[in-house]
Parts: sequence; structure tokens; C-alpha cells
Amino acid sequence: EAGVVQSPRYKIIEKKQPVAFWCNPISGHNTLYWYRQNLGQGPELLIRYENEEAVDDSQLPKDRFSAERLKGVDSTLKIQPAELGDSAVYLCASSLLSDPSTQYFGPGTRLTVL
Amino acid sequence: GENVEQHPSTLSVQEGDSAVIKCTYSDSASNYFPWYKQELGKRPQLIIDIRSNVGEKKDQRIAVTLNKTAKHFSLHITETQPEDSAVYFCAATGSARQLTFGSGTQLTVLP
Repeated sequence: EAGVVQSPRYKIIEKKQPVAFWCNPISGHNTLYWYRQNLGQGPELLIRYENEEAVDDSQLPKDRFSAERLKGVDSTLKIQPAELGDSAVYLCASSLLSDPSTQYFGPGTRLTVL
Repeated sequence: GENVEQHPSTLSVQEGDSAVIKCTYSDSASNYFPWYKQELGKRPQLIIDIRSNVGEKKDQRIAVTLNKTAKHFSLHITETQPEDSAVYFCAATGSARQLTFGSGTQLTVLP
């Protein structure tokens, strides 16, 4: 069974440019998470989806970040415009709706903003 | 919301020795406590977890203990091997049903 898939794995952009990350969760997992992991720190939740509904986006900086999960399967996280402080690893995770605590992570996208 | 503190931030042990990493949490409603291992440049991987109705859980060389009264839980690795070297994160699920992670422990096992 394939795990959580993310692309791209690495992205280097200049500040003020837009960037988008894509995630495909484990098949059958209704719940999808986007986390940001800064260097030397643990992942921090940005947004959580149950099917296509964003049920927790309180930590998402809405002035520049947006996310969507239109068909309740794969998801896209976008930053526009990117700032230097957005450099981090963006992790996607998924879980069953019935067991939201047991989360499986993707490999992440390492974003560098110059 | 939930706050999870983890220590030490770095830990070096000799191969074959034991390693212990400790975490405390703030939300008394938390009932699930996973531990993740993250090797450099790779995804966090769940290595063991414990739920609030259990005080201790063991899986080969890895064990986790939970003290709900004191709101702390610990990861114990025995007979450490060089491949155990990684960053370890604890986490807790609070009343919001979301995982809050600790800041990580860089474990280095010296050959």
C-alpha cells in the first residue's frame, strides 16, 4: 500500500513568488493534515481536513496561505506571496476519521525562500 | 490548548546503553501519546504510542511509560544501536483532537 505522497520534494523560490505543494493521502484516509516544520522543531499544524471540509484552520496564516481539498482526496497548499520566514518543511499527514490520532506522514516538501 | 515540553534537546549515549527522553503535557484531557522518529531529511515515523488507559507499553527495545497524574510520559530505548540515531518527537492529543508535538530530541548513539 502506498504511503502519503507529496510533491515536489524540494522547492527554491525568491521572496514574493507564489508556491504550491501537493499531497495525496493514504487511500481511504478521510482526514488530511498540513503541518509546517521549522528547523530543529516539531511539526506545527496548519490545517486539518475531514473529507473536503476544513475543520481546523486556526493556525493557517490566511493573508498569504490557502489550501483546498476539493474532492476529499488530494490537497494543495499554496503560499502567495512567499516570505523569507516561510522557509521550512511542509508535511502532509493523513488518518482515518475514526482514529485521528494515528497519523501517517508524507516525506515533506522542503521550501527555501531566497 | 495543549502544550508539550520535551527534554533533553540532545542526548548522546554509547552503543548498548539505554536512552530516556521525557515529555510533559498540559491538557488533562489528552488521551493519546505517540512517539515519532525522524531521520535526517525523512518523514516522521510512528514508532510507539500509548493511550491513557495504559501505564506502560513495550515493543522489543522500545518502551513508553505514562503518568497521567503528573502529566508526563517517557520513551525508553534499551541496548541502543547506531541506527537508533535520529530526532525523536513526542506528541499528545488534547481536547481539540489534534496532535501537539514536542520540540524534539536529537539522539546520537556513539559506536
